[in-house]
Amino acid sequence: QSVLTQPPSASGTPGQRVTISCSGSSSNIGGNYVHWYQQVPGRAPKLLIYRHDQRPSGVPDRFSASKSGTSASLAISGLRSEDEADYYCAAWDGSVSGLVFGGGTKLTVL
Amino acid sequence: EVQLVESGGGLLQPGGSLRLSCAASGFTFSNYEMTWVRQAPGKGLEWVSYIYKTGEPTLYADSVKGRFTISRDNAINSLYLQIDNVTAEDTAVYYCARGGFVSGWGDFWGQGTLVAVSA
Repeated sequence: QSVLTQPPSASGTPGQRVTISCSGSSSNIGGNYVHWYQQVPGRAPKLLIYRHDQRPSGVPDRFSASKSGTSASLAISGLRSEDEADYYCAAWDGSVSGLVFGGGTKLTVL
Repeated sequence: EVQLVESGGGLLQPGGSLRLSCAASGFTFSNYEMTWVRQAPGKGLEWVSYIYKTGEPTLYADSVKGRFTISRDNAINSLYLQIDNVTAEDTAVYYCARGGFVSGWGDFWGQGTLVAVSA
């Protein structure tokens, strides 16, 4: 059972916009930065979004994220086949003094 | 180009020990916090440990506290994770990642090294 809650799966067709939610509490998302990672099966994770809504250089602006209260969401617009991957949210949790991850959402591009 | 290369993984028996290494290049290693994250087969990501750029402080997940020790050698751009008294639940791919509180968690990751615990 992960501290942050994500839907196990999401899907969309090419060109569509999909969103992935991440729910937490005041000790993690509510009071600390949220980060998002993309992991293609068999590969290392890649930072997609940091500090709620910032994109590292090289990440397309099709990827965006937001936070409200104790929840966050990742949006992918103009869905492409190469976006098919697992997506994880993460945030520091002051109550456990550790970085906590969501369980991951498997995105399928139909 | 930033590179993180893990090594030291392998097969070991319950109760055994192992030392993982992460060789860093392409950036000023001593300027960055570092982190270990693991992923059990078919499972999600789990944060393991953190170390500040000077070597202190260090932090650990409850699941590994007292058994794992993170350290670094800034002179040779290397990060380490000493793993002791392993159990089957420690079986995972272990990734080193750059960053932490100050510079963001995991802006670059290594390719991972597999630790398998089996009797």
